[in-house]
Amino acid sequence: DAGITQSPRHKVTETGTPVTLRCHQTENHRYMYWYRQDPGHGLRLIHYSYGVKDTDKGEVSDGYSVSRSKTEDFLLTLESATSSQTSVYFCAISEREVAYNEQFFGPGTRLTVL
Amino acid sequence: EDQVTQSPEALRLQEGESSSLNCSYTVSGLRGLFWYRQDPGKGPEFLFTLYSAGEEKEKERLKATLTKKESFLHITAPKPEDSATYLCAMEGSQGNLIFGKGTKLSVKP
Repeated sequence: DAGITQSPRHKVTETGTPVTLRCHQTENHRYMYWYRQDPGHGLRLIHYSYGVKDTDKGEVSDGYSVSRSKTEDFLLTLESATSSQTSVYFCAISEREVAYNEQFFGPGTRLTVL
Repeated sequence: EDQVTQSPEALRLQEGESSSLNCSYTVSGLRGLFWYRQDPGKGPEFLFTLYSAGEEKEKERLKATLTKKESFLHITAPKPEDSATYLCAMEGSQGNLIFGKGTKLSVKP
């Protein structure tokens, strides 16, 4: 299994509070992604990173920010959580130049915003 | 618009009853078609990548095939442990994966 961990695994928070989710990899892959998974929508890209301090927006980026200060860590921040951000969040990694774009996923974080 | 559609949404099989899952896609220039398995409460687990029409890949009871418009995941003589949601995806313009909504497979003993 790819060495990807996510923390926390579960979190309940209140509307308006800031929340940070962490993704940590031990594979030294260049690319890292944050997706959210919701019933009826499947997995959708929030933000991605193509290197340290290099990030870009995905399909559903409003209300989210990311940072990557080290190769192994990719942080997703909800500046002011809303109930619509209740979801399961998955981090993924890939090494696109080496092996096309096979992405490997972490175990997920279940976030509930009350 | 790049799009991935999976069918059926759910499939119930008896143990040993072979069947196929469908993934149809629309994209200008396929850069890879991916199959994943997802168990409840877990992240998607990578199964296969297909790159060109006519390509086939196998793993145990699973076989994935690709044409210019769709991909099939054939399950031969399934067992209860094959029960899961199977996700199909293709690469989008940002390097992200565009996923279908999945097929939930249940295999009864």
